[in-house]
Amino acid sequence: DSGVTQTPKHLITATGQRVTLRCSPRSGDLSVYWYQQSLDQGLQFLIQYYNGEERAKGNILERFSAQQFPDLHSELNLSSLELGDSALYFCASSFGTAADEKLFFGSGTQLSVL
Amino acid sequence: GQQVMQIPQYQHVQEGEDFTTYCNSSTTLSNIQWYKQRPGGHPVFLIQLVKSGEVKKQKRLTFQFGEAKKNSSLHITATQTTDVGTYFCAGLHYKLSFGAGTTVTVRA
Repeated sequence: DSGVTQTPKHLITATGQRVTLRCSPRSGDLSVYWYQQSLDQGLQFLIQYYNGEERAKGNILERFSAQQFPDLHSELNLSSLELGDSALYFCASSFGTAADEKLFFGSGTQLSVL
Repeated sequence: GQQVMQIPQYQHVQEGEDFTTYCNSSTTLSNIQWYKQRPGGHPVFLIQLVKSGEVKKQKRLTFQFGEAKKNSSLHITATQTTDVGTYFCAGLHYKLSFGAGTTVTVRA
């Protein structure tokens, strides 16, 4: 158990819909990262938050947004969903912002867009 | 932009045999991390290499960082069924970039 909690584990929705994925980092960790993993794909970095502020942005679509709340949990909002958005979405956390910190991953949310 | 390439994409290994997976970067890296993702699981941190030419061992796993800090390798000896999974390298050059992973299957 990494200590990172993601909900829900599975999400099935239709094209055009909007969903919210939730992540609680490990106790004491201030950074939260979101990654997308498609079939046979690596981990695509979406976005990082540190202590409530956006820290780094990766290949995140404009239809996607995220935020980190004062209690440090984070939400990833995906809107106007397309079939191609079906993927496993991981949240990871680390203590600080140093790029060389190891990441602790949650168990992921499997999103299926039908 | 920075790219981290891993080869092979798939590795089918007979139990008891050795194999190596490679990670190559287009840019010089500050460090490299390795993660393992079991089937149906999430990535788990294995190790971080920082120094040029560094070699680290974890039981049957040997990790190397190239002299030019642009490549790395993971060598597993006497493969066991518990080694099944996808191994990712992640190279740091201002930001952490993950390779596509090497998915390992083991024939008993």
